[in-house]
Amino acid sequence: DAGVTQSPTHLIKTRGQQVTLRCSPISGHKSVSWYQQVLGQGPQFIFQYYEKEERGRGNFPDRFSARQFPNYSSELNVNALLLGDSALYLCASNPLGGADIQYFGAGTRLSVL
Amino acid sequence: GQQVMQIPQYQHVQEGEDFTTYCNSSTTLSNIQWYKQRPGGHPVFLIQLVKSGEVKKQKRLTFQFGEAKKNSSLHITATQTTDVGTYFCAGPMSGGYNKLIFGAGTRLAVHP
Repeated sequence: DAGVTQSPTHLIKTRGQQVTLRCSPISGHKSVSWYQQVLGQGPQFIFQYYEKEERGRGNFPDRFSARQFPNYSSELNVNALLLGDSALYLCASNPLGGADIQYFGAGTRLSVL
Repeated sequence: GQQVMQIPQYQHVQEGEDFTTYCNSSTTLSNIQWYKQRPGGHPVFLIQLVKSGEVKKQKRLTFQFGEAKKNSSLHITATQTTDVGTYFCAGPMSGGYNKLIFGAGTRLAVHP
């Protein structure tokens, strides 16, 4: 079975631009969470979605938004990119959401110049 | 706010030596999870501990959850080069939020 898949794998943007990252969960998993991982730190929670509803939100500005589709895939959008948004963006899925075990994808490496 | 702290930040060992990383939470945790991230990779789930004082083993890895459910440790016996990576602990945010809080990780380097 396929694991969590994310696209693209790498992305280079300039300040002020907008970016959309995509994630497909493991088959049968209804919850997707997004994390930001800055070099040398642990993943920081951004959002969690379950059955298309937002279930949790971390301490990120409104420039960050997300949604989940009927097939449980998800998109993370970041507007008005800042240099500090450069990071590895990880998507994780699990069957029922909450703070349960996270199955991570390989991530999208975003560089903002 | 609630914090999960790990020490040490970095550990460099010779192959065959033991390694231990410690995780401390500012609040009581309902469970604690451990993940491993290889260089250039993504976090991979290792284990979840739920009960106070729980000890679990996976081959050369031993995980412990403290009696007060505020601390945990991961001990690797006789490290191998395949153990290289960063080890993260993570716990649920208290208050029923659907959010895992990760520590900053302990990066393990193993020299042959």
